[in-house]
Amino acid sequence: DTEVTQTPKHLVMGMTNKKSLKCEQHMGHRAMYWYKQKAKKPPELMFVYSYEKLSINESVPSRFSPECPNSSLLNLHLHALQPEDSALYLCASSQSGGLSNQPQHFGDGTRLSIL
Amino acid sequence: EDQVTQSPEALRLQEGESSSLNCSYTVSGLRGLFWYRQDPGKGPEFLFTLYSAGEEKEKERLKATLTKKESFLHITAPKPEDSATYLCAVGGNTGKLIFGQGTTLQVKP
Repeated sequence: DTEVTQTPKHLVMGMTNKKSLKCEQHMGHRAMYWYKQKAKKPPELMFVYSYEKLSINESVPSRFSPECPNSSLLNLHLHALQPEDSALYLCASSQSGGLSNQPQHFGDGTRLSIL
Repeated sequence: EDQVTQSPEALRLQEGESSSLNCSYTVSGLRGLFWYRQDPGKGPEFLFTLYSAGEEKEKERLKATLTKKESFLHITAPKPEDSATYLCAVGGNTGKLIFGQGTTLQVKP
């Protein structure tokens, strides 16, 4: 069982819909991450939050909007997505951000399909 | 530029047939090298962290080793349940993890 919980597990949405992905961790970690993963490819970093502040945005289109309400929660708000945005969206956490000497722990992801 | 290359892309083994997966890397200021296992439809599961050349870590049938240029994941007497994609990632001065493309392992009974 993973200690990073993501909801929903599956999401199908139209290009005009607005939806949100949610992530929660109770390991006391202070860094949280969003990744996008396409089939047979490694995860691609999207955003990093360190101590609840956005520290890295990998030039992600504005139709993806991250939010970190507190140190345990991470949201990804979706609006006007394109079919090529269909992918597995992974959340991860680590003890602290900006230090790449610590392992990141991943949730099982949200499988997103854009119609 | 930080880079990670994993080989082979795919590996088929018979149950009990030991082998190794390779992860070659170039990184400015290695902070850590990480191995993950990913099952279909799941997120990557953390296996090991290695920090310096000569370091080794073991867990059940898996053993990870590190040199200044590469890491190996040795699988001893694998079982069908070891079938998965194994991902290698390095952390350097950028504060981000750089992932390799992964090795997909299939172990046949």
